[in-house]
Amino acid sequence: DAGVIQSPRHEVTEMGQEVTLRCKPISGHNSLFWYRQTMMRGLELLIYFNNNVPIDDSGMPEDRFSAKMPNASFSTLKIQPSEPRDSAVYFCASSFGQGSNQPQHFGDGTRLSIL
Amino acid sequence: AQSVTQLGSHVSVSEGALVLLRCNYSSSVPPYLFWYVQYPNQGLQLLLKYTSAATLVKGINGFEAEFKKSETSFHLTKPSAHMSDAAEYFCAVRGSGNTGKLIFGQGTTLQVKP
Repeated sequence: DAGVIQSPRHEVTEMGQEVTLRCKPISGHNSLFWYRQTMMRGLELLIYFNNNVPIDDSGMPEDRFSAKMPNASFSTLKIQPSEPRDSAVYFCASSFGQGSNQPQHFGDGTRLSIL
Repeated sequence: AQSVTQLGSHVSVSEGALVLLRCNYSSSVPPYLFWYVQYPNQGLQLLLKYTSAATLVKGINGFEAEFKKSETSFHLTKPSAHMSDAAEYFCAVRGSGNTGKLIFGQGTTLQVKP
């Protein structure tokens, strides 16, 4: 079975540029999560969706960050304009929200470097 | 509200020695608990989960964890460490509601010395 698929795996761009990260959740999962991981802050939950609806975006650092989930099989995380402090590994995860014991399944992440 | 505390950001053991990674939780509802492992340059991978069926949970790669309600703990153990166990380990508790949100601990880096 295909797991959570993220693209690109690596992104290097100059500050001020728009960055778009993409995620395809596991088929049948109805919850999707975006995380950011850095050495300084560890693993941070940025935003999550349930049935394509954003439930909690309190972790989004500022207005430069936005996320969408136009359908059950695709989500994007966009940074515009990007800044060097946005450099991090961004993970997408999905789960079946209903049911008490369902784990999250993580993608391999996008390693983002803003120069 | 749910929360997780992992005691010790770094743990170092010798190859063949017992591995013990500590996790304490706080939950206002019966908890569902998870351990994840993250190898370098990879995403988080589920090691095991506690769902109230049994207090001793066995996971992949020889790891197991014991749920102790009286101690609000869910420590991860492995009898004999292997070099390939070197990684970062995260404990997590399920958040409230039916959205699948997990509350993660800060992580513990396990170093295995030859």
